[in-house]
Amino acid sequence: EAGVAQSPRYKIIEKRQSVAFWCNPISGHATLYWYQQILGQGPKLLIQFQNNGVVDDSQLPKDRFSAERLKGVDSTLKIQPAKLEDSAVYLCASSLSPRGLYEKLFFGSGTQLSVL
Amino acid sequence: DAKTTQPPSMDCAEGRAANLPCNHSTISGNEYVYWYRQIHSQGPQYIIHGLKNNETNEMASLIITEDRKSSTLILPHATLRDTAVYYCIVRVASNTGNQFYFGTGTSLTVIP
Repeated sequence: EAGVAQSPRYKIIEKRQSVAFWCNPISGHATLYWYQQILGQGPKLLIQFQNNGVVDDSQLPKDRFSAERLKGVDSTLKIQPAKLEDSAVYLCASSLSPRGLYEKLFFGSGTQLSVL
Repeated sequence: DAKTTQPPSMDCAEGRAANLPCNHSTISGNEYVYWYRQIHSQGPQYIIHGLKNNETNEMASLIITEDRKSSTLILPHATLRDTAVYYCIVRVASNTGNQFYFGTGTSLTVIP
């Protein structure tokens, strides 16, 4: 079974530029998550989708971050404009069911963003 | 807001059991405890989860105290490949689904 795919693997930009990350979840997984992981910290949830609808974006800095999952499959996370503090690894995860007792998150390898 | 507390680092001798503690004193009755680990430059990987009973699988055992305020992940025979950051996570259920809250994790180093 193919895992969660993310691209690019690495990205270096200057502050005030924009950047986009792409995620393709495991086939059939209804729920998709974007996490931000700053060096030395645990992943922090940015946004959660159930199919193509947002169920939690309370920690997404909406003045500069946006995300979409138009057809309920793959997703794009965008930062515009980027700040130095956005330097982090952006992890995408998916799960089969949002409420299942045995729900597990499956993570991609992440995109490492460096803002100079 | 962190729902779990873990020691920042631990060492374990290769071949010995690694016991990783986690405190989740504010956990609610329907919230599960999950453990994930993250090897450098990779995404977190699922290990095990439980509600109130002890659980065991091919990777590890999970011991949850009777009051559910703490738990311990046990890797029975640690190998060098078990060197990683281990995250104890509380899964919170809501009307819209589950949210997984990661803490800061424990960096486990297995020593030859």
